[in-house]
Amino acid sequence: RKEVEQDPGPFNVPEGATVAFNCTYSNSASQSFFWYRQDCRKEPKLLMSVYSSGNEDGRFTAQLNRASQYISLLIRDSKLSDSATYLCVVNQPGGYQKVTFGTGTKLQVIP
Amino acid sequence: DGGITQSPKYLFRKEGQNVTLSCEQNLNHDAMYWYRQDPGQGLRLIYYSQIVNDFQKGDIAEGYSVSREKKESFPLTVTSAQKNPTAFYLCASSPLISGNTIYFGEGSWLTVV
Repeated sequence: RKEVEQDPGPFNVPEGATVAFNCTYSNSASQSFFWYRQDCRKEPKLLMSVYSSGNEDGRFTAQLNRASQYISLLIRDSKLSDSATYLCVVNQPGGYQKVTFGTGTKLQVIP
Repeated sequence: DGGITQSPKYLFRKEGQNVTLSCEQNLNHDAMYWYRQDPGQGLRLIYYSQIVNDFQKGDIAEGYSVSREKKESFPLTVTSAQKNPTAFYLCASSPLISGNTIYFGEGSWLTVV
């Protein structure tokens, strides 16, 4: 089983739709979780951290389910500008930052 | 502006040549990383460093070398021993404390011709 797994997509959705991605992780001791956004041929950029209680930033909502070992990202009212690849990132315990990236889920928002 | 600067952005290399990619950060981060990304693939860790004069191999270190002589700088050399070096290379940094966000430079595109 991969340490961090994501459905690669692509997810093709119409503007205004609500879309959700999941990401599963294998190490139950993983400590912190993030969603990054990566545009084509660009560097990944932090979208949001994922907190145990769930958190929201505008149209984006992130949730963590430790019992089932997955995190999710919900995007409401999709915009054309949301088209990108969304990377799940998991920090695992240790004396240093063992950062593991998922391979990403590609989202294409269609007019 | 605070951030991570990578150079060059685009680099063409002939087979058999070594090339060095520069990475400089002014975020005062202790940890620095080099990742490789192939088209349609995820990020793979090449090397990381937690402190000056110390670095550790990542998952795909063969054919690469690094140095960490200064806190701000973490250059990556792609040697001729790397069989398939054409890729997008990303430098990143973060505070050393586990759980902190990792920040990326804009990346360097290396093509072997």
